[in-house]
Amino acid sequence: SQTIHQWPATLVQPVGSPLSLECTVEGTSNPNLYWYRQAAGRGLQLLFYSVGIGQISSEVPQNLSASRPQDRQFILSSKKLLLSDSGFYLCAFLAGDYNEQFFGPGTRLTVL
Amino acid sequence: QKEVEQDPGPLSVPEGAIVSLNCTYSNSAFQYFMWYRQYSRKGPELLMYTYSSGNKEDGRFTAQVDKSSKYISLFIRDSQPSDSATYLCAMKGGFKTIFGAGTRLFVKA
Repeated sequence: SQTIHQWPATLVQPVGSPLSLECTVEGTSNPNLYWYRQAAGRGLQLLFYSVGIGQISSEVPQNLSASRPQDRQFILSSKKLLLSDSGFYLCAFLAGDYNEQFFGPGTRLTVL
Repeated sequence: QKEVEQDPGPLSVPEGAIVSLNCTYSNSAFQYFMWYRQYSRKGPELLMYTYSSGNKEDGRFTAQVDKSSKYISLFIRDSQPSDSATYLCAMKGGFKTIFGAGTRLFVKA
């Protein structure tokens, strides 16, 4: 069966510190992978998506970056966090009968 | 104008009530319509998926799509406290999926 993992589950970081969030998928090969940020009352904002290893498309210009070093691994990074980077970060992949988005458990990031 | 509009609520109802959740959209290219349920501090999970105008029923849940009015609804019958969650509508036309802001629902026992 297909599963998706994210870690860490919760993270508190000071402003200006670096960030690395990891997402891995099991039970599928060459998945389309997505990073979303969810802020209160604003829905899901698509940040990055990837259709293959080393292929990253950015949807929103910001101080975040993404990488896909392996087929089923997707990493979200930042060199210097801003207060506005706080939020709930979700990784997703396409699967299922309708090729819909399956989400991971999310990482709650608080930047202080 | 946002591509998808959804009232964030919160919506509070007594147990057993019929709940109606709605979204409007502006892009007529959307062909697939979904409802996701998200419990607190969890990732969203797919609840309903439709691709045509009309109704689709699954247990206590009914998804309704009106493409002419660009309006979709999710009805929950005999609501339960376990239905308390945030419900996000989502629409897809082509490669991208656009999500609504989500409506927070509280079902009181």
